Amino acid sequence: EIVLTQSPATLSLSPGERASLSCRASQSVSSYLAWYQQKPGQVPRLLIYDASNRATGIPARFSGSGSGTDFTLTISSLEPEDFAVYYCQQRSNWPHTFGGGTKVEIK
Amino acid sequence: EVQLVQSGAEVKKPGESLKISCKGSGYRFTSYWIGWVRQMPGKGLEWMGIIYPGDSDTRYSPSFQGQVTISADKSISTAYLQWSSLKASDTAMYYCAIYYGSGQYFDYWGQGTLVTVSS
Repeated sequence: EIVLTQSPATLSLSPGERASLSCRASQSVSSYLAWYQQKPGQVPRLLIYDASNRATGIPARFSGSGSGTDFTLTISSLEPEDFAVYYCQQRSNWPHTFGGGTKVEIK
Repeated sequence: EVQLVQSGAEVKKPGESLKISCKGSGYRFTSYWIGWVRQMPGKGLEWMGIIYPGDSDTRYSPSFQGQVTISADKSISTAYLQWSSLKASDTAMYYCAIYYGSGQYFDYWGQGTLVTVSS
């Protein structure tokens, strides 16, 4: 099974700052990686799929990059509603595993 | 409008059986994978398994293989997650979700079913 390792576990930033979240796969997943956002008490929401494609309705401040084993989710300028937990997920091999998550908190 | 509506919260005792459901509407139920995701209290998302209702092709995470059963009833557009003997460690929120417009990623989610297992 492919293991996804997200770092850092927690990112403390202020509104307006740039956030860079990392997801590393234990073996190549090509570009078959997605990012989700989950706010407390809410259902996860798909942000990015196939490494760099924004899902429907996702603001342009969210972008994804990478291929193979190293991926990055970038939030160009944090809005108050962006403070949440972010997960990556791969669909290269069954099972389609999730990473452990990165919490973006207000500094 | 695509919707996934899950059954309500459950409180069970260890050793009991349980089947929770997820009803899809607003799309062709047989044409899209529908999966289950576990979230234990205060923890991350875990991909449990998934079924393609069109032919009942089912894939499980090794962590959940043999521990749960995923099934679907095409006639009523409903997927199920069941346990034959619950443990306290099964206490969690369980989400169903479908691989819809973005390829094999979960772009529509149910509201979640909280399962509490306690003696």
